[in-house]
Amino acid sequence: DVKVTQSSRYLVKRTGEKVFLECVQDMDHENMFWYRQDPGLGLRLIYFSYDVKMKEKGDIPEGYSVSREKKERFSLILESASTNQTSMYLCASSFSPNTEAFFGQGTRLTVV
Amino acid sequence: AQRVTQPEKLLSVFKGAPVELKCNYSYSGSPELFWYVQYSRQRLQLLLRHISRESIKGFTADLNKGETSFHLKKPFAQEEDSAMYYCALKAGGGAQKLVFGQGTRLTINP
Repeated sequence: DVKVTQSSRYLVKRTGEKVFLECVQDMDHENMFWYRQDPGLGLRLIYFSYDVKMKEKGDIPEGYSVSREKKERFSLILESASTNQTSMYLCASSFSPNTEAFFGQGTRLTVV
Repeated sequence: AQRVTQPEKLLSVFKGAPVELKCNYSYSGSPELFWYVQYSRQRLQLLLRHISRESIKGFTADLNKGETSFHLKKPFAQEEDSAMYYCALKAGGGAQKLVFGQGTRLTINP
């Protein structure tokens, strides 16, 4: 069974803090993705990576950065958290873009 | 740019009635389309993909390139089908994004 694990289910951070969201997959997948999920807006792609140290901007990268130093780990970084970044964050991985994407359980981030 | 549109945020039908969840896309290349489902308190998971041409849990979806649509259908809805459904598009080329629609919350009434 493929496992995609996000380090936290719930996080509460203060405005201006630097926030790290971690995601680990155990199936040697090439592709990893970070999305945010908001009611009425669906899943919006923040960043994705198709190889170690390779990253591409998604549709809403502003205010975020990512790191992929090892194949199994993809980190999302909020450089200076703001209240409009309060959301559910989903990580996903896939072997190739044509194959199924497996999702983590999500991290609900609240910025106060 | 790639875009996926699900025009209905909410859809409610009675048990045993037919269900159709609409999905339209815009993409200049050859699309690869998926339906994902999220049941209450569960992870988002793949329901079906158009290249497989399969029926999963009684659901089917046909890619209509002329209408740029990939609607999800089931002839007889069941209560356990209540969930959030997302249509997704894989955009090809060198950087292969997976783009999702806004989602449709399906409620099956007893």
